[in-house]
Amino acid sequence: GAGVSQSPRYKVAKRGQDVALRCDPISGHVSLFWYQQALGQGPEFLTYFQNEAQLDKSGLPSDRFFAERPEGSVSTLKIQRTQQEDSAVYLCASSLSQSSYNEQFFGPGTRLTVL
Amino acid sequence: GQNIDQPTEMTATEGAIVQINCTYQTSGFNGLFWYQQHAGEAPTFLSYNVLDGLEEKGRFSSFLSRSKGYSYLLLKELQMKDSASYLCAVNDYKLSFGAGTTVTVRA
Repeated sequence: GAGVSQSPRYKVAKRGQDVALRCDPISGHVSLFWYQQALGQGPEFLTYFQNEAQLDKSGLPSDRFFAERPEGSVSTLKIQRTQQEDSAVYLCASSLSQSSYNEQFFGPGTRLTVL
Repeated sequence: GQNIDQPTEMTATEGAIVQINCTYQTSGFNGLFWYQQHAGEAPTFLSYNVLDGLEEKGRFSSFLSRSKGYSYLLLKELQMKDSASYLCAVNDYKLSFGAGTTVTVRA
């Protein structure tokens, strides 16, 4: 596809369930970012990959959050034992290279609701 | 830490001009992005300032003063479709966003 895609677009989970959110970046993009956006707020950084290497996971809120990008393309954000405070939109973004001057292209996000 | 401030809401009339200010105090700085985000959609790129001064792109312009930690986004000839949230983001390879400014354009 032409842009960043994410699936599912919407996910409802019961508290305590595990969820997996998928991101397909733009083909050839080296850098991949995950952000969390709470209602009425700007996105907050979670983690960063350069190819398959996770270079920064300082934004992950707890050890229940785990991200991977095993082949340097598709990435999965996994949340274990979901809590109500995990309810948010999870945005994935990719950029062409590791240069900090490259624009990040965002996917449409996955809206997670934890009941 | 990162501290990025922008107004919460602004309202303007169709055809008018609106200026959204953004002030920042961050530990790293490689430039400043402005994104537009319609409700339920992905943020989309509007502008990127690395050096001080004004960048003009059609109806949208963005200004940066690194010494003052200040930027603004200027929207001219407002249209109804410009009603959206506008996000200021400091680039330090990862983006640090403000909370967003919701702009409502009225007929």
